[in-house]
Amino acid sequence: DGGITQSPKYLFRKEGQNVTLSCEQNLNHDAMYWYRQDPGQGLRLIYYSQIVNDFQKGDIAEGYSVSREKKESFPLTVTSAQKNPTAFYLCASSNSLAGGGHNEQFFGPGTRLTVL
Amino acid sequence: GEDVEQSLFLSVREGDSSVINCTYTDSSSTYLYWYKQEPGAGLQLLTYIFSNMDMKQDQRLTVLLNKKDKHLSLRIADTQTGDSAIYFCAERRNTGGFKTIFGAGTRLFVKA
Repeated sequence: DGGITQSPKYLFRKEGQNVTLSCEQNLNHDAMYWYRQDPGQGLRLIYYSQIVNDFQKGDIAEGYSVSREKKESFPLTVTSAQKNPTAFYLCASSNSLAGGGHNEQFFGPGTRLTVL
Repeated sequence: GEDVEQSLFLSVREGDSSVINCTYTDSSSTYLYWYKQEPGAGLQLLTYIFSNMDMKQDQRLTVLLNKKDKHLSLRIADTQTGDSAIYFCAERRNTGGFKTIFGAGTRLFVKA
């Protein structure tokens, strides 16, 4: 079955620690995204990648880092510099962003990160 | 403003129609989307409409688009308890790199 997976589902971190969230897709999608979801707020874009070995900052990139070494994988690292990291993190993928056409995003099940 | 705006909550009785409203910001947006999020899960695309259409119907779902007012609505007919979820409106902008901008989501409560 084609899809997008995230692990772990729940993650607990002590203050001052870095933590990496996994995102894998087997949909052969070029573009991948990381969003943060907080209660009462829309999805906020952290980083996105349009192609392997390339990624761009979204609206709230500070305190986060990503890599895109393989088409299938787009891990997100939440660093100790992120001041309020407790949130629900969603990864998504889609066909190429270029051209402005229909661009359905396929979402993973999310990772809930709690900083203790 | 910059945001896609939706009301945060809607409560309806089972069997009634639900109407979820959204205002978006970019008049050049080509596609408008409705996504559904079940508790503790990711979002799934429910339906979408191309900007040259006024209406799209898909079984119990009706999407209305008013481009002049930049207003999008989703009507769910005969709402069921299984429709309880968060519904996100999103616009695919043609400016600034074809980003998709999501609203805050409307939490729909369906009372039996």
